[in-house]
Amino acid sequence: EIVLTQSPGTLSLSPGERATLSCRASQSVSSKYLSWYQQKPGQAPRLLIYGASYRATGIPDRFSGSGSGTDFTLTISRLEPEDFAVYYCQQFGSSPLTFGGGTKVEI
Amino acid sequence: QLQLRESDPGLVRPSETLSLICTVSGDSISSGYYYWVWVRQPPGKGLAWIGSIDDSGSTYYNPSLKSRVTLSIDTSKNQFSLKLSSVTAADTAVYYCARLWSNGFDPWGQGTLVTVSS
Repeated sequence: EIVLTQSPGTLSLSPGERATLSCRASQSVSSKYLSWYQQKPGQAPRLLIYGASYRATGIPDRFSGSGSGTDFTLTISRLEPEDFAVYYCQQFGSSPLTFGGGTKVEI
Repeated sequence: QLQLRESDPGLVRPSETLSLICTVSGDSISSGYYYWVWVRQPPGKGLAWIGSIDDSGSTYYNPSLKSRVTLSIDTSKNQFSLKLSSVTAADTAVYYCARLWSNGFDPWGQGTLVTVSS
C-alpha cells in the first residue's frame, strides 16, 4: 500500500499569504495518478489538481501543483478567504487507492 | 452536467448490513470510460477509499474492508450500490459516491451520514 504523508497537519496563515502544502509518498507515484482535493466543512471534496500539476475545470490560477516521484506540492499563491479548508492528496495508480491525512489551512 | 446522489439509510443497527445506492444523472453509467467508487469519512477524520466498480461489473476493493464489502451496478437504472455487512460503530461515517476517471475522483455526491447504533 502506498502511504501518503501530508505536512504540515495545520497551516495558520492570513489572507494574501502564500500556502505551501506537501505530500510525500512511501513509494514512487506516477504523476498521472496524483490528485489534490479541497474540502470545506459540511461539503464533499472537490477536485483541484490532477496529473500532479493540471488545474481542474473552474479552479483559479492561484492554485498550482508540482512534483514527481515521491514528493508533491500544492501551492496557493495568495490565499483568499474561501481557500481556508482541508486539502487532501490522493494516488489512484496503485491499489488500494489512498489519500493523505490532509492539511488544514486555517486563518 | 454529471451529478451523483447517495441514498439516505440514516441509522443502521450493529451487526446488520449497510446498504447504499448512488444514482447517477446527466450521463450514462455505461459510457465505458469510468469507474464508480465509494469513499467514506468518519466524523472528524480523513478520506478512505472503499472500492470501485466498472460498467461491466468488475470490482476492486480495499483489502481492509474486502471481506465485508459488495459493490454492484444496475445500468438500466443508472445506479451503483454498496453493501457493507456486520457493521460496528467504527463504520459510522459520511459515505460518498464518485466517478473515477483519468483525472481522479470527480464529481462527488453530496455524501450521506450513516450512523451505526442500537
